[in-house]
Amino acid sequence: GAVVSQHPSRVICKSGTSVKIECRSLDFQATTMFWYRQFPKQSLMLMATSNEGSKATYEQGVEKDKFLINHASLTLSTLTVTSAHPEDSSFYICSALSTNTEAFFGQGTRLTVV
Amino acid sequence: DQQVKQNSPSLSVQEGRISILNCDYTNSMFDYFLWYKKYPAEGPTFLISISSIKDKNEDGRFTVFLNKSAKHLSLHIVPSQPGDSAVYFCAAKGGSEKLVFGKGTKLTVNP
Repeated sequence: GAVVSQHPSRVICKSGTSVKIECRSLDFQATTMFWYRQFPKQSLMLMATSNEGSKATYEQGVEKDKFLINHASLTLSTLTVTSAHPEDSSFYICSALSTNTEAFFGQGTRLTVV
Repeated sequence: DQQVKQNSPSLSVQEGRISILNCDYTNSMFDYFLWYKKYPAEGPTFLISISSIKDKNEDGRFTVFLNKSAKHLSLHIVPSQPGDSAVYFCAAKGGSEKLVFGKGTKLTVNP
């Protein structure tokens, strides 16, 4: 099956710093990628839709200046959490859409802001 | 407004028995439904899907049933195995590519 690689799997950063998370589709081209956030005991919440070569579409309530998304190629999308704060600590998951309408997910990134 | 609902936060079954996970949706525009399995600290993995033109899709031990009139779908796992213990997410899409997820059901299969 299709493989989506997300890196890093775990990151701890100091409050006020920025963190970049990468999402790569390894064996298929993904014009559309999605970024999700999961809080404990809650469902996956879509943060934004990333389209190759264009600006990301953010969901209501998600600060686009805080969560910078770049989808520079058909196989790579990045999410940068800028000026991270402890409340940004969460599990972030990316997803890439394959041509047969199935979405494949990355392994997720556990972000802890101290 | 929660468009995809998984009303049972948890389910416990005995190994070898059937596991039935339920999902209800409210948006009649949804035309494609998916089930994902998620282990702790890992991303969800695709399990099985069904298009709205079908009412059943089977893949090995996993079968998804869709009742469009009731806006209800269910995932059956037969026979259940301890390795099936995970959180199962129901997801739906229609029109756009955006997936809408339920809150998940934690399945525990006891040996």
